[in-house]
Amino acid sequence: KAGVTQTPRYLIKTRGQQVTLSCSPISGHRSVSWYQQTPGQGLQFLFEYFSETQRNKGNFPGRFSGRQFSNSRSEMNVSTLELGDSALYLCASSSRGPSSYEQYFGPGTRLTVT
Amino acid sequence: ILNVEQSPQSLHVQEGDSTNFTCSFPSSNFYALHWYRWETAKSPEALFVMTLNGDEKKKGRISATLNTKEGYSYLYIKGSQPEDSATYLCAFNTGNQFYFGTGTSLTVIP
Repeated sequence: KAGVTQTPRYLIKTRGQQVTLSCSPISGHRSVSWYQQTPGQGLQFLFEYFSETQRNKGNFPGRFSGRQFSNSRSEMNVSTLELGDSALYLCASSSRGPSSYEQYFGPGTRLTVT
Repeated sequence: ILNVEQSPQSLHVQEGDSTNFTCSFPSSNFYALHWYRWETAKSPEALFVMTLNGDEKKKGRISATLNTKEGYSYLYIKGSQPEDSATYLCAFNTGNQFYFGTGTSLTVIP
């Protein structure tokens, strides 16, 4: 079974631009969560999508948004990039979300904002 | 915002040493406690899921215990090997969301 894939793996953007990251979950998984990791911080929860609906959202500004498609693939968008958005962005998929006790992570997208 | 704390932040041990890390979490809204192993340039990989107070899990040389009443979990590695070098993350699961600690970075010196 193929794992969680994320594209692109690396990205360099300029302050003020916008960026879209993509996550393809494990086949059959309907829940996709997104996390941000910055140096010295644990994984910070951004949002979770389940069956195309945002089910839960972390404490991030509205510049961070996401969506999920009918095939469960998910995209995350960050508008008006700031230097502090430089981070590793991980997505994780599971069959039902946190209540299923499982979470499988992708390799991450490393975003650098200059 | 739920606070999950891990200690120590980093650890350097000699090959063959045994070691342990701590994860502290809130004693309310508990659904499960997860441990992950995260090697550089790879995806975090699940080690254990623990749901009941007093749970003990073991996988090879790695084991974990859980105390939900006092809000802590220990991860033990017996006879550390260089391939154990990684960051070990714990995550507090409320059933709705995961809350991660900042991890313990383990380096095993051959």
